[in-house]
Amino acid sequence: DTEVTQTPKHLVMGMTNKKSLKCEQHMGHRAMYWYKQKAKKPPELMFVYSYEKLSINESVPSRFSPECPNSSLLNLHLHALQPEDSALYLCASSQDMEGSMRGYTFGSGTRLTVV
Amino acid sequence: GESVGLHLPTLSVQEGDNSIINCAYSNSASDYFIWYKQESGKGPQFIIDIRSNMDKRQGQRVTVLLNKTVKHLSLQIAATQPGDSAVYFCAEIFAGNNRKLIWGLGTSLAVNP
Repeated sequence: DTEVTQTPKHLVMGMTNKKSLKCEQHMGHRAMYWYKQKAKKPPELMFVYSYEKLSINESVPSRFSPECPNSSLLNLHLHALQPEDSALYLCASSQDMEGSMRGYTFGSGTRLTVV
Repeated sequence: GESVGLHLPTLSVQEGDNSIINCAYSNSASDYFIWYKQESGKGPQFIIDIRSNMDKRQGQRVTVLLNKTVKHLSLQIAATQPGDSAVYFCAEIFAGNNRKLIWGLGTSLAVNP
């Protein structure tokens, strides 16, 4: 299995809702990443987990809460989002942070719309 | 076809022509560079990479050129096909930044049949 699987593919949520994005990989990768991507822009790094511990938080607002239950799963919990948070949310994984070169594998993303 | 200037967001080429996508990178200490292809509705997909101790690397129909003197990276696609239509991003990595990807702005390639 050489894929990163993200669910759901599309999500529409209200500003008072709580929802979660899920990401799964079975490549044995020990670093996992959340990125946010606006239309026609490059991805922006949000969080990095290394060996199931949060390693990097790029000053992301607390309405985004990451969780890494085990080495294969990564979640992003969403609460009280704003319309400007609407974007494509990408999950990626790599062998580890030091090996994060060719080994970056991206999922297809969750298209989030906040209404 | 070639993207002229380093901030042109769109490149349009005829099917069968060669494409050249350019990228300026920011840090002279970057030691690794990657080109990604992102098709509509998908995540970025690795195309080709190059280390800073090289100036050229070839893959299948793609070539990456690195000019460290002017901090310039280019991606050449031979015999461009409709399936090559996508947004192309360059990215750089250097050890002093937790080896995080630093992304270029992206170029949208449109291939006309």
